[in-house]
Amino acid sequence: DAMVIQNPRYQVTQFGKPVTLSCSQTLNHNVMYWYQQKSSQAPKLLFHYYDKDFNNEADTPDNFQSRRPNTSFCFLDIRSPGLGDAAMYLCATSITGAANEKLFFGSGTQLSVL
Amino acid sequence: QQPVQSPQAVILREGEDAVINCSSSKALYSVHWYRQKHGEAPVFLMILLKGGEQKGHDKISASFNEKKQQSSLYLTASQLSYSGTYFCGTRVPSSNDYKLSFGAGTTVTVRA
Repeated sequence: DAMVIQNPRYQVTQFGKPVTLSCSQTLNHNVMYWYQQKSSQAPKLLFHYYDKDFNNEADTPDNFQSRRPNTSFCFLDIRSPGLGDAAMYLCATSITGAANEKLFFGSGTQLSVL
Repeated sequence: QQPVQSPQAVILREGEDAVINCSSSKALYSVHWYRQKHGEAPVFLMILLKGGEQKGHDKISASFNEKKQQSSLYLTASQLSYSGTYFCGTRVPSSNDYKLSFGAGTTVTVRA
């Protein structure tokens, strides 16, 4: 089945140790999003790619970077994770990002920072 | 740009009804509704595109008042499976597309 896959499901890292979260999609969608969701809060958009065009949210810390080497894959790099970066990270896709399109979510990666 | 949801939480007994509201200070191009269970990804419920549009999904329905820039989600004859956090999302223009911003969510607890 076509889907959005996030690996790993759970990730534990140490304070300050770089970590990479991955997302892949078999939907061939043009747009890929990364959301951060802390406990009991709404998903917060970090950035998104429209094809190869990178769109960063103004309040996304520089500590967060992203790469999209091809249509299918997108990575979230946290260069120096702090305790406040512990959260669920959700990857989502959309066909073209039009207003009438829903988002397809992956199952998320729960990041813990020790 | 984040839409405002109310109430923050609601507790229901099975069979009772509830309304969740979502409003925005900016023009709404579309309103999306998702439900999320604890530890899981959000699940899509429905999209409303036009003012006056109403949609239904089982006994969950929604309306969209474009002029008032608000939407409401109606849970009718609630079931235990309706428990979860409901998010409304609004698409706002970005460089090439319309990014989706979520409201803070409404936690619904349905008890037997």
